[in-house]
Amino acid sequence: DTAVSQTPKYLVTQMGNDKSIKCEQNLGHDTMYWYKQDSKKFLKIMFSYNNKELIINETVPNRFSPKSPDKAHLNLHINSLELGDSAVYFCASSQGRMAGGHSYNEQFFGPGTRLTVL
Amino acid sequence: GENVEQHPSTLSVQEGDSAVIKCTYSDSASNYFPWYKQELGKGPQLIIDIRSNVGEKKDQRIAVTLNKTAKHFSLHITETQPEDSAVYFCAASRFPGGGNKLTFGTGTQLKVEL
Repeated sequence: DTAVSQTPKYLVTQMGNDKSIKCEQNLGHDTMYWYKQDSKKFLKIMFSYNNKELIINETVPNRFSPKSPDKAHLNLHINSLELGDSAVYFCASSQGRMAGGHSYNEQFFGPGTRLTVL
Repeated sequence: GENVEQHPSTLSVQEGDSAVIKCTYSDSASNYFPWYKQELGKGPQLIIDIRSNVGEKKDQRIAVTLNKTAKHFSLHITETQPEDSAVYFCAASRFPGGGNKLTFGTGTQLKVEL
């Protein structure tokens, strides 16, 4: 199936631990993103990578570090986890292109990773 | 930066009725406005989008309108069905440029009752 996939789907861990979430897309897209959705369902972008280059880095603590080994993967590593990091993290991808004077930049989202910090 | 406001936060309609969700944006340079549907336990899925060069777009029971002057856009769902129940998000971005950053509204929980 062509899609954006994330692992794991659920992640429960203790405060202070380090954890990683993996994301892969097989859509051939050149841009990948990480979003955080809090308990009130608010979706906010964290990072964006285009062809393995960081292009968006919102005000996110240094404990969060994205890593893109290639165009199809964007992993999120979190150090020293805190209670406030508990949320659902979504990976997304897109292929920006222009055609006929119109822009096409739909973002496709993965199923999410629910992180719970105890 | 861009700020997107979305109303209402919850919307309950009877099956077969229409539902309207409204959003306003602040950045006049934004030119792409997608709508996403998020079902429980799943990621957001694009259901329709509109670009700033058109005022209205329709896809079966779903339509979106855009008023660039007033900087607001709306989602219209007609003949609602129980499977339309979900959280709906509007978003705005500027492309190219702006890094294709999507700024989301705060979401609308739509409940379609039998």
